[in-house]
Amino acid sequence: DTGVSQNPRHKITKRGQNVTFRCDPISEHNRLYWYRQTLGQGPEFLTYFQNEAQLEKSRLLSDRFSAERPKGSFSTLEIQRTEQGDSAMYLCASSLPGGSRGYTFGSGTRLTVV
Amino acid sequence: KNEVEQSPQNLTAQEGEFITINCSYSVGISALHWLQQHPGGGIVSLFMLSSGKKKHGRLIATINIQEKHSSLHITASHPRDSAVYICAVRASTGNQFYFGTGTSLTVIP
Repeated sequence: DTGVSQNPRHKITKRGQNVTFRCDPISEHNRLYWYRQTLGQGPEFLTYFQNEAQLEKSRLLSDRFSAERPKGSFSTLEIQRTEQGDSAMYLCASSLPGGSRGYTFGSGTRLTVV
Repeated sequence: KNEVEQSPQNLTAQEGEFITINCSYSVGISALHWLQQHPGGGIVSLFMLSSGKKKHGRLIATINIQEKHSSLHITASHPRDSAVYICAVRASTGNQFYFGTGTSLTVIP
């Protein structure tokens, strides 16, 4: 297992289109987190899963955003009707419960909405 | 007001200098993380602290729970240390992380 994998690395889309990102966590990690990072800012929490259950969602996650982790392994983050303000780096991280051995981040998906 | 404040925002140092990055937070925490982010966006977790001090190579991280403050020190800095260093805290209630805006470090040869 080589760590947390995110795909695609880069995505350019036209405003109004839907996009979907994928995150494959470390296999034994049952917690998975999504963050969004805009230029010059630290990451902002979006949502997190424990196994397949989505336990917490940020107010940043508008109705256009949906995240799933159907089998408790990989997760997808979908943005519908993208807006230019959605342009950001979307980061995924995974951990064991309690994060006792730390968190592992993916390399992120950079979204540009034109 | 951000839950996590970092200083300085930008830092330029000569190779070999001792560097300190500071982090203050305002929430109760169960752990504090120092992260390193390179220009491509990938993030590496450097340290996870809940008390005291940790050392890894030329990196040292300290935390003072009473003062709600942490520092990241880099000894004998090197150009390859150039990156953005982010302080993140895990709130003691719930599982949310709060992130600082990062310190952009440039080490000049």
